[in-house]
Amino acid sequence: QQQVKQSPQSLIVQKGGIPIINCAYENTAFDYFPWYQQFPGKGPALLIAIRPDVSEKKEGRFTISFNKSAKQFSLHIMDSQPGDSATYFCAASAGRGNKLTFGTGTQLKVEL
Amino acid sequence: GAGVSQSPSNKVTEKGKDVELRCDPISGHTALYWYRQSLGQGLEFLIYFQGNSAPDKSGLPSDRFSAERTGGSVSTLTIQRTQQEDSAVYLCASSPRGSGGNNEQFFGPGTRLTVL
Repeated sequence: QQQVKQSPQSLIVQKGGIPIINCAYENTAFDYFPWYQQFPGKGPALLIAIRPDVSEKKEGRFTISFNKSAKQFSLHIMDSQPGDSATYFCAASAGRGNKLTFGTGTQLKVEL
Repeated sequence: GAGVSQSPSNKVTEKGKDVELRCDPISGHTALYWYRQSLGQGLEFLIYFQGNSAPDKSGLPSDRFSAERTGGSVSTLTIQRTQQEDSAVYLCASSPRGSGGNNEQFFGPGTRLTVL
């Protein structure tokens, strides 16, 4: 049973565009929602994370929007750059320090 | 400072052989996790160690998989009688999991396992 559904599977945008990646979850016990960025041959690295008591969090060019009632959250990348080309994973966990349940990933390509 | 390290970076083995994958977490991190990433898939949780507590083994796919963590630091993931479907990248992560901290898990570069 896939508890975190992520879309789209792949995404191509032009430099300066705003790619949006969406995730939906089923488990209402989830209370921590991070986004990870992964470059080829590397392990995932934490990009930004949110807890359900806020609806939006912004760090630099990255913004998470969170809709608790719909059980959905999304990542927006402002002014995207070719260096942002990577695979992005959403994830969720129930309780601090607990195992993460990951989405299937979105391969983003930012073209010049 | 040093991040999470894993060895070997690549492992090719024959079906039926046993393999051991090693993870060195960030010094001082009390929590350690193993995940598996199959081609084109997300990360799948395998096992989680937290301090001296009993590990959460709920993600291990079969009894051929086991892991241990010695002295609260280094961890070894063992796969016995490997099968072709075990081919994947095995990722280790560690977390400080302090009482006032967040859940940030720091990942190693992974071990790519290929079972022929």
